[in-house]
Amino acid sequence: AQSVTQLGSHVSVSEGALVLLRCNYSSSVPPYLFWYVQYPNQGLQLLLKYTSAATLVKGINGFEAEFKKSETSFHLTKPSAHMSDAAEYFCAGSVSTGANSKLTFGKGITLSVRP
Amino acid sequence: GAGVSQSPRYKVAKRGQDVALRCDPISGHVSLFWYQQALGQGPEFLTYFQNEAQLDKSGLPSDRFFAERPEGSVSTLKIQRTQQEDSAVYLCASSPGLAPTDTQYFGPGTRLTVL
Repeated sequence: AQSVTQLGSHVSVSEGALVLLRCNYSSSVPPYLFWYVQYPNQGLQLLLKYTSAATLVKGINGFEAEFKKSETSFHLTKPSAHMSDAAEYFCAGSVSTGANSKLTFGKGITLSVRP
Repeated sequence: GAGVSQSPRYKVAKRGQDVALRCDPISGHVSLFWYQQALGQGPEFLTYFQNEAQLDKSGLPSDRFFAERPEGSVSTLKIQRTQQEDSAVYLCASSPGLAPTDTQYFGPGTRLTVL
């Protein structure tokens, strides 16, 4: 079985500050990992994904994440926060178990950006 | 091109009523997923279709929940005799293939409120 843990429910940063959103996974097999962003009244949008090709993954809007097997982590970072980054962020994982590649999501983290 | 669309966007039902939620996936996408997102939580898997075949319905919470995708494109999630605990946002996602690394594209969701 796989689970994804996002510690904390809310992160607040100042505009221009580093953004760090944490995600840890537990899985009996190497997972594929995703970060999605959800703006109010909109669907989930993919930021980036880890598919085992490279441990450092760059995504849209300046976000990146590093897969660290030794720490079972896939933390999301952005060097400089922008007001438009305020949203809810979800980490998710999937494993190759045959025909179903369903995603297992963490609880999500709300990012606030202060002017 | 058009993304995943869902209708209605909002649905209010009285307890005991039946509801039907529609998902129009991206044209040509083989895989279709339904997720349930309770308030303040991450999405949870309900069911999965590969074309018209429902290959996994392990996440459906009770036999009041039924999903279909008869022609391998549009899908409907039906909830019979709605209960208050069914109140949630129902998300539909589609992906082009079968691989666990394929990106799932999400619709905006249907917010169901059961009174």
